[in-house]
Amino acid sequence: SQTIHQWPATLVQPVGSPLSLECTVEGTSNPNLYWYRQAAGRGLQLLFYSVGIGQISSEVPQNLSASRPQDRQFILSSKKLLLSDSGFYLCAWSDELNQPQHFGDGTRLSIL
Amino acid sequence: QQQVKQSPQSLIVQKGGISIINCAYENTAFDYFPWYQQFPGKGPALLIAIRPDVSEKKEGRFTISFNKSAKQFSLHIMDSQPGDSATYFCAASSTQGGSEKLVFGKGTKLTVNP
Repeated sequence: SQTIHQWPATLVQPVGSPLSLECTVEGTSNPNLYWYRQAAGRGLQLLFYSVGIGQISSEVPQNLSASRPQDRQFILSSKKLLLSDSGFYLCAWSDELNQPQHFGDGTRLSIL
Repeated sequence: QQQVKQSPQSLIVQKGGISIINCAYENTAFDYFPWYQQFPGKGPALLIAIRPDVSEKKEGRFTISFNKSAKQFSLHIMDSQPGDSATYFCAASSTQGGSEKLVFGKGTKLTVNP
């Protein structure tokens, strides 16, 4: 069966520090991968998605970037965190674009 | 522009009652409508999904009703239980190519009182 792992579960970072959040998927090949940010009362906002190694599409211009160095690895990064980057970050995968998406348990990021 | 509008924002139901959450969409190209359930500190989990070729889909106590002409769909939770207390998200997407992605509603926080 397929599983998705995200780490860390929680992270507290100072403003201006770098960020690296990692997501890996097991039990499937060539998945579509997604990064979302969830803010209270605002639902899930798609940040990036990837249909293959090195292929990244950005949905919202921001202080973040994404990379896919391996087939089942998706990384969310920032060079300098802003206070507004605080939130709950979720990674998801699907076999085909959109259909259906399975989520990891997220990373709670707090910026101080 | 919010493409999927979800209501209510919060809902309190007594144990054994029926919980109803509604969603409306604008894009007629949408042809896949999933519902996700999210518990605190966890990622959303796919609960049930429907395509517009049927008007209703039932899985256990959970039922999706779909009205294509009104561009509305709803989740009904029968015999609601305290363990159903969670945040529910509707979503929509187009599977017919193009660049449409899964678009989520803003969520409904359901509380089922014992």
